[in-house]
Amino acid sequence: DGGITQSPKYLFRKEGQNVTLSCEQNLNHDAMYWYRQDPGQGLRLIYYSQIVNDFQKGDIAEGYSVSREKKESFPLTVTSAQKNPTAFYLCASSIEQGSTGELFFGEGSRLTVL
Amino acid sequence: KQEVTQIPAALSVPEGENLVLNCSFTDSAIYNLQWFRQDPGKGLTSLLLIQSSQREQTSGRLNASLDKSSGRSTLYIAASQPGDSATYLCAVRVNSGYALNFGKGTSLLVTP
Repeated sequence: DGGITQSPKYLFRKEGQNVTLSCEQNLNHDAMYWYRQDPGQGLRLIYYSQIVNDFQKGDIAEGYSVSREKKESFPLTVTSAQKNPTAFYLCASSIEQGSTGELFFGEGSRLTVL
Repeated sequence: KQEVTQIPAALSVPEGENLVLNCSFTDSAIYNLQWFRQDPGKGLTSLLLIQSSQREQTSGRLNASLDKSSGRSTLYIAASQPGDSATYLCAVRVNSGYALNFGKGTSLLVTP
């Protein structure tokens, strides 16, 4: 089935450790996005990528890093520089060329810092 | 920066009622507007997308309208059911190639 797969679903991290969240899509979508969701805050954009080997910072990029080496993959690394990393992370993708630009989301990854 | 506001933050209705969820945005120069549903602990499911040139979209019991000039969109749910209980999010895209700006959502509870 086509879709967006995020892994792991749950992740626990000790303070000072870097962790990488995986996002894979088999929809042949051009653009991919990472959002962070906190209770009462809504979704906030971390990074997005419109094409392979290119990405842009969103509103809250500090303490995060990404790569886009393949069209289908957009991993997010939460570094030790991120002050409050406990949150629900959502990956999304969309077709950009000749399309409505509708966004589709994965099931999310919940990160908890112990 | 485009600001998106959703009112009310929470809503409880008895089963069978028709209801309206509201979304407002500050910049009328939008590319499209998308409504999502989110169940607890899950990702977002796309419900309806309205392009900037459109006035409304319908899917089953759902109808979304768009009034760019006033910076408003509404999501109408007809004959609500307990299974409609979820958080509904409105998001606006400023231009092609840009990411969505989200509202904080409306938490809907439909009681049997």
